[in-house]
Amino acid sequence: GIQVEQSPPDLILQEGANSTLRCNFSDSVNNLQWFHQNPWGQLINLFYIPSGTKQNGRLSATTVATERYSLLYISSSQTTDSGVYFCAVVTNQAGTALIFGKGTTLSVSS
Amino acid sequence: KAGVTQTPRYLIKTRGQQVTLSCSPISGHRSVSWYQQTPGQGLQFLFEYFSETQRNKGNFPGRFSGRQFSNSRSEMNVSTLELGDSALYLCASSFGGGPYEQYFGPGTRLTVT
Repeated sequence: GIQVEQSPPDLILQEGANSTLRCNFSDSVNNLQWFHQNPWGQLINLFYIPSGTKQNGRLSATTVATERYSLLYISSSQTTDSGVYFCAVVTNQAGTALIFGKGTTLSVSS
Repeated sequence: KAGVTQTPRYLIKTRGQQVTLSCSPISGHRSVSWYQQTPGQGLQFLFEYFSETQRNKGNFPGRFSGRQFSNSRSEMNVSTLELGDSALYLCASSFGGGPYEQYFGPGTRLTVT
């Protein structure tokens, strides 16, 4: 099956710093989503981005489907950005199932 | 528009018991998917229901089952609970019929003792 790899696994930042999270996938995808898991466990939708570039405030994402990777950019990080960031994909083979990476744990300190 | 709701939020059960979790999707969404999250295995797909039919199933034993009602609400059931079933169970809803964006509920945290 498809492999979804996220890097780095852990990231520690000072407030105000910028960061880039990467998601590599081993097969073509129909859907790619980025999520932020809050301390209570809920997955918050950040981007639905099977291809192209999107921006939402301090966050932006780019997916290059032909090269099988996606990037999530966080600018001017805040302590509230702390948590786990997941990339998840849907492939033809998996139907509509989201296949998740292992996540990047981000810690932002003031 | 209200988000995805899940009940109960927390549950403690004893090994060998069974449990039923409930998920109400976003209004207008016809697809409900269930996922299990554990520290060791991460987030794994359980199954998906669309128009009251199971359309897709992950690699879990038959003790895990589900159903969907005509109003798109879904339940999942786990019979003969094992300690390893302790996990956060998340449900997600989408319009269905394709790889649409999925929206997650707050989850049910199940502890099996």
